[in-house]
Amino acid sequence: AQKITQTQPGMFVQEKEAVTLDCTYDTSDPSYGLFWYKQPSSGEMIFLIYQGSYDQQNATEGRYSLNFQKARKSANLVISASQLGDSAMYFCAMSLNNAGNMLTFGGGTRLMVKP
Amino acid sequence: GAVVSQHPSRVICKSGTSVKIECRSLDFQATTMFWYRQFPKQSLMLMATSNEGSKATYEQGVEKDKFLINHASLTLSTLTVTSAHPEDSSFYICSAQKGNQETQYFGPGTRLLVL
Repeated sequence: AQKITQTQPGMFVQEKEAVTLDCTYDTSDPSYGLFWYKQPSSGEMIFLIYQGSYDQQNATEGRYSLNFQKARKSANLVISASQLGDSAMYFCAMSLNNAGNMLTFGGGTRLMVKP
Repeated sequence: GAVVSQHPSRVICKSGTSVKIECRSLDFQATTMFWYRQFPKQSLMLMATSNEGSKATYEQGVEKDKFLINHASLTLSTLTVTSAHPEDSSFYICSAQKGNQETQYFGPGTRLLVL
């Protein structure tokens, strides 16, 4: 069975600095997708970025980039130039392409941006 | 775009009553929708996968007779919590997949409080 691990329950970062949120995964399936979602206090889940297991390049979306290290089975999220509005819970998730694309979520990391 | 709505956003009900939650994809057709539950300070747990025109697939430990799912159209899935009890109080959130894309787009969630 697949597993997603986020080892940082909480992180602080100074406004305007970059921060890395860790995510490791475990699966024997060669075809999978990795996702990061942001959940502010309102509860909505906001899609941030996606990386496919066969993608050669690391995904980037604006200030978000995914540091995909396949051999290490890690998919860390890098947020550059942190803003106060980035304070939220961040969830890493994985889907298996041959299992209906159901998402398995990590435990989440609470990011707090300091002014 | 990929907008998903949920209604109601918040509901308080007495123990023993049934509550229906609607999940709609507003600007795309979703053959597959997913229902998750999130308890405070925890991650999202998949409850069931809902496919248009067929029976939902429930995760292990989720009672299908208690959590009735109907996916009658390509833009609407409903979750009915039957005979709700206080332990069913939680944050229920749905997601929808756009076409064959892996990415799931989430609704804003429904906070259920059973007294």
